[in-house]
Amino acid sequence: RKEVEQDPGPFNVPEGATVAFNCTYSNSASQSFFWYRQDCRKEPKLLMSVYSSGNEDGRFTAQLNRASQYISLLIRDSKLSDSATYLCVVPPGSARQLTFGSGTQLTVLP
Amino acid sequence: DAGVTQSPTHLIKTRGQHVTLRCSPISGHKSVSWYQQVLGQGPQFIFQYYEKEERGRGNFPDRFSARQFPNYSSELNVNALLLGDSALYLCASRFSQGYGYTFGSGTRLTVV
Repeated sequence: RKEVEQDPGPFNVPEGATVAFNCTYSNSASQSFFWYRQDCRKEPKLLMSVYSSGNEDGRFTAQLNRASQYISLLIRDSKLSDSATYLCVVPPGSARQLTFGSGTQLTVLP
Repeated sequence: DAGVTQSPTHLIKTRGQHVTLRCSPISGHKSVSWYQQVLGQGPQFIFQYYEKEERGRGNFPDRFSARQFPNYSSELNVNALLLGDSALYLCASRFSQGYGYTFGSGTRLTVV
């Protein structure tokens, strides 16, 4: 099993739609989790951190299910500017490095 | 406040050459990590340095080396370049454990 697995997509959704991505991880010792956003040919940028059961920031909600070892990202009222690749990031127990999923590509259509 | 800065932004090298990539972390950040991202994949961990000491190393050959300087800036060196080393090389810094990393805009290396 890969350390971090994501559905690669692509997800093509209309503006205003709600879309959710899932990410599963294998290291049960991981304590903190991150979602990064990466635009085409740009660097990843931190979108949200998840330390407990979940986190909400405006239209974005991240949830953590430790028992099933997955985290999810929910985007409500999608905007064209949300089009990007979303990377699930899981630090291993030592938290010295980040393990990235391969990313989920989202395209929001007008 | 300056973010993580990397140089050069783009680089073209031929097989067998070596390359040095540079990174300056955000002021106050003592931890620097290097990642390699090939097209269509997530970044892969190469090295982490903290207080000038190597704290972690990913699954990369010995051709890859790095160091961190007293001002916390860092260099990534790659010797005997292969075509497969063509990628976006990302440097990231963070304040401490538990905080997310901030990435630089990367160095795009093309090996021909």
